[in-house]
Amino acid sequence: GEEVAQTPKHLVRGEGQKAKLYCAPIKGHSYVFWYQQVLKNEFKFLISFQNENVFDETGMPKERFSAKCLPNSPCSLEIQATKLEDSAVYFCASSQSRPGNTIYFGEGSWLTVV
Amino acid sequence: GQNIDQPTEMTATEGAIVQINCTYQTSGFNGLFWYQQHAGEAPTFLSYNVLDGLEEKGRFSSFLSRSKGYSYLLLKELQMKDSASYLCAVTRGSQGNLIFGKGTKLSVKP
Repeated sequence: GEEVAQTPKHLVRGEGQKAKLYCAPIKGHSYVFWYQQVLKNEFKFLISFQNENVFDETGMPKERFSAKCLPNSPCSLEIQATKLEDSAVYFCASSQSRPGNTIYFGEGSWLTVV
Repeated sequence: GQNIDQPTEMTATEGAIVQINCTYQTSGFNGLFWYQQHAGEAPTFLSYNVLDGLEEKGRFSSFLSRSKGYSYLLLKELQMKDSASYLCAVTRGSQGNLIFGKGTKLSVKP
C-alpha cells in the first residue's frame, strides 16, 4: 500500500493479558521499525527488521516483548503479560533502505493497560 | 551514547517566523531529520540534512552544522495549522533507526 497501516488503532488490555499489534509497511519498503511513545514524550526505538530478519533489537525489552516480520504477512509486535507502564502509542514505520532514506510512520496503535 | 536537546515549548504569532533549535551529541552521526507531529497523529516527514548548510522547502527550511552538532528548523509565514510538536531526530552508523529528541511543542497564536 501507499501508507504504513497499523491495526488495531486502539487496544485495551487488563494487566497480565497479552497484546498483539500489527503493521503492514509501505509496498516496496524493506525496513520496518517499531517505536514506543509514552504520554506524548520522546520516542523510544524498540526494534527494526530488514525484510523478515531482525536488523537491530537493541531497544527491545528482554522480557515480555517480541516481534516478527514474516513473508506475506503483516509484521507484529507482541507484549506478553502486559503491565501498566506498557500503556503507550506504538508506532510502526518503514523505509526503502537505510540510512538516510525517509522513514514513514503509521498512525500508531494506542495501547491502554488497565 | 547520544543526547539530543531541543526546547520543550515555543510560542509564536501567526504570520511570523520561528526558529526551533536542536543540538546533538551522537557518535557515528549520519544525518538529521525533522518531523512534525500533530496531537494524536503520526509524525510526518519535513526535512533531512546530511551535509552542512540550508535545505529549503516552501515555508520550511532546515539547517545543519555537523562540526557544531547543531541544527535548526525555520518556519516562515506561520499559520495556525503549524501548531504541533516538532521532532528532531538523528541517524547514526549503519543502524538506520531514528533517535529522537523530546520534541518542541509550538503554539501559534492569532
